[in-house]
Amino acid sequence: DARVTQTPRHKVTEMGQEVTMRCQPILGHNTVFWYRQTMMQGLELLAYFRNRAPLDDSGMPKDRFSAEMPDATLATLKIQPSEPRDSAVYFCASGLGDRVNQPQHFGDGTRLSIL
Amino acid sequence: DQQVKQNSPSLSVQEGRISILNCDYTNSMFDYFLWYKKYPAEGPTFLISISSIKDKNEDGRFTVFLNKSAKHLSLHIVPSQPGDSAVYFCAARDYNTDKLIFGTGTRLQVFP
Repeated sequence: DARVTQTPRHKVTEMGQEVTMRCQPILGHNTVFWYRQTMMQGLELLAYFRNRAPLDDSGMPKDRFSAEMPDATLATLKIQPSEPRDSAVYFCASGLGDRVNQPQHFGDGTRLSIL
Repeated sequence: DQQVKQNSPSLSVQEGRISILNCDYTNSMFDYFLWYKKYPAEGPTFLISISSIKDKNEDGRFTVFLNKSAKHLSLHIVPSQPGDSAVYFCAARDYNTDKLIFGTGTRLQVFP
């Protein structure tokens, strides 16, 4: 059963440190999404890629967050420098198609705690 | 400003009864709606979807109803089972931006 794989599952680090989260999308999927889950906002879209090209990153604080897809099997989300307010669960999802009209498949998330 | 609202943070239902989860939206450009289920420490998993050209979609115990004039959709689970206990997210696709907007979720607890 194909799955989206996210690493690490948990990350605890101090404020100011760089954080890198990784995602391996389902093989063959051409769209990758990064979401952040918070209690107040639910699931917020941070950025997404189609065929490795960034399509939208308007949900991301650009001064500290960056998202890339070095190749079709790896997506990364970096925070530098990290702040306590970045503490959340970050999900990666992948999907198929030219538009977001197919269900997205989520990884199990990275739980990030910034002290 | 929440475009997709799940106003009930939690719901408790007895096993065998119907669970009804509600979702309201404000954006008339939403054309596709989905429900996801999420267990603790796992990612959301797709449950059922509906296009805006339909008013009902059924898949086994799960039925989604869409009322476009009221900008309201609901998920019915009949009969409810303890394994259905999870957080349910409603999501809507904005036709213009091609993005999914999620609600804040409703925690369903099904008790014996």
